[in-house]
Parts: sequence; structure tokens; C-alpha cells
Amino acid sequence: GDSVTQMEGPVTLSEEAFLTINCTYTATGYPSLFWYVQYPGEGLQLLLKATKADDKGSNKGFEATYRKETTSFHLEKGSVQVSDSAVYFCALGTSGGSYIPTFGRGTSLIVHP
Amino acid sequence: DVKVTQSSRYLVKRTGEKVFLECVQDMDHENMFWYRQDPGLGLRLIYFSYDVKMKEKGDIPEGYSVSREKKERFSLILESASTNQTSMYLCASSTGQGFTGELFFGEGSRLTVL
Repeated sequence: GDSVTQMEGPVTLSEEAFLTINCTYTATGYPSLFWYVQYPGEGLQLLLKATKADDKGSNKGFEATYRKETTSFHLEKGSVQVSDSAVYFCALGTSGGSYIPTFGRGTSLIVHP
Repeated sequence: DVKVTQSSRYLVKRTGEKVFLECVQDMDHENMFWYRQDPGLGLRLIYFSYDVKMKEKGDIPEGYSVSREKKERFSLILESASTNQTSMYLCASSTGQGFTGELFFGEGSRLTVL
């Protein structure tokens, strides 16, 4: 079945540091890939997505590139802020038949001033 | 602005009580989901529904039931709450067959069972 593996957290960084959160997946067919973010006390919200190989999703300074050859969708940001402290979830979804998206376990990011 | 609204942000219930968690979406979405979120375990799917009166079990349906009488409303029911059901519950919705699109989440309902 489909699965998503994320690096375990927490990831602790100083403000303005470079961020990478690794995400790899296994899937049948050709999935769409997503990063969701959950700020403290809130539900999840979509951060970015990519629907086919080599697509790059970007939003709020975050980027992720759909790498079919390495089955990866790593999240990156060049300079994190304290306000980026949150839990980040990698997810995938496939078309046809299944209504259920597959989520990773989430990676907590803590950014210190 | 699209919205998924969960009826209660915080609930405290006693063991054995019947608990209703309600979720309403205003986007005319076909698919609705209930997840629970626990530290270290991520999101675990309890039930989902892809149409009115339709429901499918997710990964952890034991101890829960659901109701979808109207397209916009999806309720999660704990028939007899237990302490191990203390958790954050998240409702979500999406449109279309298959899943290639975005999930829209509510803000969550934090349930404590004493």
C-alpha cells in the first residue's frame, strides 16, 4: 500500500537557519504530493503541493520538488522565522478509486530567536 | 472563505458518556473524514464518507461510529467514552473522486475523558 516516511523531530533551529525536512514515499500509480502545516492550536492547512514529477511547489518561502527517481518530496526554506514553528506533514494522494490521502507522522519544527 | 467548522474546541467528558463531535463544511464537498491526532502517532483515520449516508472504516474505527445524514455534516460518535479516547479530533473534507486535491481541515476538537 501507499506510505509516507518523514524524518523524526523535533527539528530545532535558530532564526535565519536553513531548513530541510525529508519526506520519502511509496505509492502505486502516480501520486500528487503535499505538505501541510499545523500551527499551535490549529488544524492542518495546505502549505504547498506538486502533482507530477519534477514539479516544484512553493509558498511562504517554502519549496519542495517532486522527485520521482528518488521518490522524495523534501521541504526546504532558506531562512526560517520564529513564526514557522509548527508541525509539518507530508502527504500523498492518488487518483481513481481511493478517497483516502496518506499522511506521514509529522515533523515538529521549533525555531529559536 | 472556505470553511470546515467543528462544533466544540474543547470537551471534558466522563467515562461511559456518549459523546457527539460535529463537523460542518460549506464547500459542497463530497468527501469527509475524521482523524485523531496523538503525539508521536501523527494522524490516524477513524472513518470517512464519500457521499450522504455512506461511510467507510478507516484504520482505527473501534469504539467510534459516524453519521452523515446531510452532505455538509459529518458527525463522530463515541458510544461510551473511555480514557484512551482522550485525544485531538480533526475533521476534514475534500472534493472529487480519488484524492489528488486538497484536504480542508477544521480547527480540531480536544476531548478529555476522565
